[in-house]
Amino acid sequence: TQLLEQSPQFLSIQEGENLTVYCNSSSVFSSLQWYRQEPGEGPVLLVTVVTGGEVKKLKRLTFQFGDARKDSSLHITAAQPGDTGLYLCAGEFAGYALNFGKGTSLLVTP
Amino acid sequence: GAVVSQHPSRVICKSGTSVKIECRSLDFQATTMFWYRQFPKQSLMLMATSNEGSKATYEQGVEKDKFLINHASLTLSTLTVTSAHPEDSSFYICSARDSGGAEFFGPGTRLTVL
Repeated sequence: TQLLEQSPQFLSIQEGENLTVYCNSSSVFSSLQWYRQEPGEGPVLLVTVVTGGEVKKLKRLTFQFGDARKDSSLHITAAQPGDTGLYLCAGEFAGYALNFGKGTSLLVTP
Repeated sequence: GAVVSQHPSRVICKSGTSVKIECRSLDFQATTMFWYRQFPKQSLMLMATSNEGSKATYEQGVEKDKFLINHASLTLSTLTVTSAHPEDSSFYICSARDSGGAEFFGPGTRLTVL
């Protein structure tokens, strides 16, 4: 069962553009994580958000957790080719396995 | 950050043979490890949850007799794909959860069954 809806699934943009990836659910999560994965490698944790309404920044990446802890967004400012990859959101119910969204495949062209 | 390793990183085998994949937490103890399967350009699909010293919990649709999981210690879990067939070809990823609840992923194992 896919508890997390992630959109868009594919995104192709030019260097310098901004983008937002959305992760939505009808379930309340104890925390939500964002990962970035490159081909042939495992996912790498970018951020964990825990508190409703929380905003975290990681250089050009801004992560927001919805007030009700059901949704989250990832905004990238001035995208660069190095940002290319598969972005995954994953929600956690305390103590249980992560529920992954379907992922957003991002391509940033020079 | 915590490190999780997987071995081998790539394996090619003939149809009908068995393949064992190891997942190790290198600098922390993991009471719980997870095994995922991933197809190209798709998300991770949870196969099973592995708890040290007890039987693994398999997700619906995952054959426990085909995908044998052993979690013999707090730093090692193994996944054995028995009688592998071409449709088992995939990218297998493990993760390990530390005492604080943080989850760290291994680099994955690319399995190709000829």
